[in-house]
Amino acid sequence: GAVVSQHPSWVICKSGTSVKIECRSLDFQATTMFWYRQFPKQSLMLMATSNEGSKATYEQGVEKDKFLINHASLTLSTLTVTSAHPEDSSFYICSARLAGGFSTDTQYFGPGTRLTVL
Amino acid sequence: GEDVEQSLFLSVREGDSSVINCTYTDSSSTYLYWYKQEPGAGLQLLTYIFSNMDMKQDQRLTVLLNKKDKHLSLRIADTQTGDSAIYFCAERFDTGRRALTFGSGTRLQVQP
Repeated sequence: GAVVSQHPSWVICKSGTSVKIECRSLDFQATTMFWYRQFPKQSLMLMATSNEGSKATYEQGVEKDKFLINHASLTLSTLTVTSAHPEDSSFYICSARLAGGFSTDTQYFGPGTRLTVL
Repeated sequence: GEDVEQSLFLSVREGDSSVINCTYTDSSSTYLYWYKQEPGAGLQLLTYIFSNMDMKQDQRLTVLLNKKDKHLSLRIADTQTGDSAIYFCAERFDTGRRALTFGSGTRLQVQP
């Protein structure tokens, strides 16, 4: 149980295009999903917190107009990297928090999406 | 503030025990986690400990928490080559967004 998927697993795009990454909780409902970014050999840095039915909360330094987050249902959140540039190339990982009743409130992580912008 | 630190690299021989250490600065964290990341993959939750516990054992994994020193460790008994990966400790606070703050990760290399 508690499986989180991401799609696509990797994507290569040209500079200036937009890329959408999906994060799905497959067997549970998640009122909150988190989006992280990981640069090579570095730790995960929280980008934003996505709550179902409301606007995402972005961390300081993360441009909300560049990284559009939509959390339309209890099982799906999307991250759209708009007008992508080579410096946006990174490993994007989402996590989902089980909604209610789980004492440890554990986050379950997706497998990640590797974005390469040429 | 939130700051979690780990040593960058650990090399052990197969069959030995591995101990990965983590220090954190904020004493108000409620849960502390250990995640494993294999190359090119996402994070796999290994184990967690609640902040009012000192120790937790789960098969080959033993987590020790010294809250006074803000020190967390993960011991892997009988380390296998399949344990080679990057290990992240993370802390969670029960205020605000409840996101995780991750350490820098420790790369564990197991030599046959």
